[in-house]
Amino acid sequence: GAGVSQSPSNKVTEKGKDVELRCDPISGHTALYWYRQSLGQGLEFLIYFQGNSAPDKSGLPSDRFSAERTGGSVSTLTIQRTQQEDSAVYLCASLAGGPRDTQYFGPGTRLTVL
Amino acid sequence: QKEVEQNSGPLSVPEGAIASLNCTYSDRGSQSFFWYRQYSGKSPELIMFIYSNGDKEDGRFTAQLNKASQYVSLLIRDSQPSDSATYLCAVNTGKLIFGQGTTLQVKP
Repeated sequence: GAGVSQSPSNKVTEKGKDVELRCDPISGHTALYWYRQSLGQGLEFLIYFQGNSAPDKSGLPSDRFSAERTGGSVSTLTIQRTQQEDSAVYLCASLAGGPRDTQYFGPGTRLTVL
Repeated sequence: QKEVEQNSGPLSVPEGAIASLNCTYSDRGSQSFFWYRQYSGKSPELIMFIYSNGDKEDGRFTAQLNKASQYVSLLIRDSQPSDSATYLCAVNTGKLIFGQGTTLQVKP
């Protein structure tokens, strides 16, 4: 596609439910990042993929969070047993792969946990 | 110490003035540096990137990098109300780490 896409754009869920967020990177981009942005805050790094493997998942806040990437393309971020503090905008970004490459961001998924 | 630090602001400048945004980072091995602009409710969009010490100019924007002092700055000349946004500094330390962002307000 022309850019990074994410779905759903908005998700409202009840505390304790599981949610799955999807990211479709730019075709051919080998690296994919997930960030979380709470209201009025900066971007919090969660995990990054190079191809299908995740060299750095140090930002995942707890074991309720997991992510996978298949076929070097689509990635899903899963949050189990959601809590109210999980409410945030979850942003995905992709880049071609090198340390000097530019990250391109998707529109984000706004998650609200009631 | 945070890996990338920015003054949260808000930084308020009159229209037509120069806005100066600063960022410091802790990892001396950082290779590349980026400035993103984020409008409220939108995703970040890239404005500038810089890899080498010195200045890099692109239109009204100038990025400045000083690796010895571990800071990177963004100057916006002839500031416009449409420049009002949050500006995020990002540093590639092997992964891209963002600062908290500086909110810029350009007043007509």
